[in-house]
Amino acid sequence: DAGVIQSPRHEVTEMGQEVTLRCKPISGHNSLFWYRQTMMRGLELLIYFNNNVPIDDSGMPEDRFSAKMPNASFSTLKIQPSEPRDSAVYFCASSFYRASSSYEQYFGPGTRLTVT
Amino acid sequence: RKEVEQDPGPFNVPEGATVAFNCTYSNSASQSFFWYRQDCRKEPKLLMSVYSSGNEDGRFTAQLNRASQYISLLIRDSKLSDSATYLCVVNILANQAGTALIFGKGTTLSVSS
Repeated sequence: DAGVIQSPRHEVTEMGQEVTLRCKPISGHNSLFWYRQTMMRGLELLIYFNNNVPIDDSGMPEDRFSAKMPNASFSTLKIQPSEPRDSAVYFCASSFYRASSSYEQYFGPGTRLTVT
Repeated sequence: RKEVEQDPGPFNVPEGATVAFNCTYSNSASQSFFWYRQDCRKEPKLLMSVYSSGNEDGRFTAQLNRASQYISLLIRDSKLSDSATYLCVVNILANQAGTALIFGKGTTLSVSS
């Protein structure tokens, strides 16, 4: 079975450009998460969706960041305009959530973003 | 105060050694606990869940102390392939739909021959 799929795997862009990261969760999973990882701050949750609905976007750094999940099999994270401090690895993860039980999040391979 | 705190290490140990990692969490409402493993330039992957009674998976043992808000991971007979970063993870209010995980920054382990 395919795991979480992310594209592109690497992105190098210039400051001020728009960047769109894409994620396809594991089929049947009902929760999707976007994380950002840097050496300084570790793995930070940006936003997560449950049944395609955004539940908590308090981790989104600022208005330059936006995320959508138009259907159960696709999500995007957009940065516009991008800045050098956005350089990081962006991970998408998905899980199947059931109340009152521990659940595993499966991570995609990540998108390594460099903004020059 | 950070929600999940870990000693970043690195822990440098020889093959066959026993090594222990500790983690503390600040939110007493935390319900579920995990250890994830992340190899260099790879994504995090679940290593094991942590239960109140403690649990063991081969060479790995996880313990939870709710009173002290403390989680540990013990690795016995370390292998070269255990070299990685180990992330302590908590889930707050697990009964809420779609509740997210909070990750520590990780502890780096390097096992040498």
